[in-house]
Amino acid sequence: AQSVTQLDSQVPVFEEAPVELRCNYSSSVSVYLFWYVQYPNQGLQLLLKYLSGSTLVESINGFEAEFNKSQTSFHLRKPSVHISDTAEYFCAVERNTGRRALTFGSGTRLQVQP
Amino acid sequence: GAGVSQSPSNKVTEKGKDVELRCDPISGHTALYWYRQSLGQGLEFLIYFQGNSAPDKSGLPSDRFSAERTGGSVSTLTIQRTQQEDSAVYLCASSLDSADRGYGYTFGSGTRLTVV
Repeated sequence: AQSVTQLDSQVPVFEEAPVELRCNYSSSVSVYLFWYVQYPNQGLQLLLKYLSGSTLVESINGFEAEFNKSQTSFHLRKPSVHISDTAEYFCAVERNTGRRALTFGSGTRLQVQP
Repeated sequence: GAGVSQSPSNKVTEKGKDVELRCDPISGHTALYWYRQSLGQGLEFLIYFQGNSAPDKSGLPSDRFSAERTGGSVSTLTIQRTQQEDSAVYLCASSLDSADRGYGYTFGSGTRLTVV
C-alpha cells in the first residue's frame, strides 16, 4: 500500500517570498509522483510530475519539485510566490505496476498575503 | 469534449434519498476514476474503470455506493439511502490510457453533495 504525508495543512507566506510545501511518501513498490493544484472553486489541475530521469522537475509557472529517493520526499518549492498562487496543493503517488489509482496527501493550503 | 464534465455541480438531498452523479470524460479517454473529497480528509479513491475490463471497486466505502460506465464513456455514481457522512465533493477524472502510467489525470470540477 502507499501513503502520502503532507505535514503542513496551511502555509501562510508573503508575496515574493520563497515557499516550500513538504511531501513524504511510503510505498513498497516504485511509484510515480505528482503535485496537483486546486484553485478556489475549481477542479484539480496537474502541476508537475516525476516519472524518471532528472530528479528535479519544473512547472510552467515557476514551481519545482525534487524527488529524493533516500528520504522518500517530493517537496514543492517556488523562489518567489504571487497572490495568484493561493490555492490548495496536493501531493500524490501512483504505483508503476498493479492497481492504478492515485493516492493523495491531505493537502496544503498556500495562502499568499500582500 | 474539451474537459471532464460533471453534473450536477451542486446537489442537496435529504437523508435516506438516493442520488445519481454523472461524469462525462474527455473523448477518447479509456480510463475513468471517481474520487471523494471530504472536508479535512483529502481525496479518497472510490472506483476505477478501464475500457471493458471489470472495474476496480476496492475504494467504495459501502454497498450503498455503486457506479457504472455505459459504452466506455459516461459514468454514473449512485449513492443509495444517503447519510450525512456522504456529504463531500465527488470528483471524476479521466486518463488517456491506463497502460501509460504517469500520464496524469484530468479532473472535473466535481459535484458538491450535501445531505441534510
